[in-house]
Amino acid sequence: SQTIHQWPATLVQPVGSPLSLECTVEGTSNPNLYWYRQAAGRGLQLLFYSVGIGQISSEVPQNLSASRPQDRQFILSSKKLLLSDSGFYLCAWARTGYSPLHFGNGTRLTVT
Amino acid sequence: DQQVKQNSPSLSVQEGRISILNCDYTNSMFDYFLWYKKYPAEGPTFLISISSIKDKNEDGRFTVFLNKSAKHLSLHIVPSQPGDSAVYFCAASLNYGGSQGNLIFGKGTKLSVKP
Repeated sequence: SQTIHQWPATLVQPVGSPLSLECTVEGTSNPNLYWYRQAAGRGLQLLFYSVGIGQISSEVPQNLSASRPQDRQFILSSKKLLLSDSGFYLCAWARTGYSPLHFGNGTRLTVT
Repeated sequence: DQQVKQNSPSLSVQEGRISILNCDYTNSMFDYFLWYKKYPAEGPTFLISISSIKDKNEDGRFTVFLNKSAKHLSLHIVPSQPGDSAVYFCAASLNYGGSQGNLIFGKGTKLSVKP
């Protein structure tokens, strides 16, 4: 069966510090991978998605970037965090472009 | 501007009764709709979906109804169980399957089923 791992579960970082959130998927190959964010009082917003190694599409211009160095690894990064980067970050995968998303357990990021 | 709206942030229902969660959308081009359920400290899990060519899809205790003319969909849970207590997200897509990164989510409705 397929599993998705996302860490850390919670993170508190000062403004201006770097960020690296990692997500890995097991039990499948060449998945579509996604990063979503839920800010306070808002719905889930797609940040990035990837259909293959090195292929990243950005949906929302922002202070963040994503990379996919390996088939089942997806990384969300920032060089300098802003207060507005606080939120709940979710990694997700899908088998194809026409399959439901499967989410990880999320990372609660608080920028102070 | 929210394209997918869940106007009720919370809903409380007695065990055994019906839970009805509502969702409205503004973009008539949406052609696929999904419901996700989220427990605390976990990511959302896919629950049920419906394409725009249908008006009803049923899976066990869960039924989703789509009213395209009203741009409205609802999730019915019958009978409701305490384990159904969670946050329910409605999502819509501009292409069938909704996994090309075009899922638009609502803010969620927190359902509490009381024993």
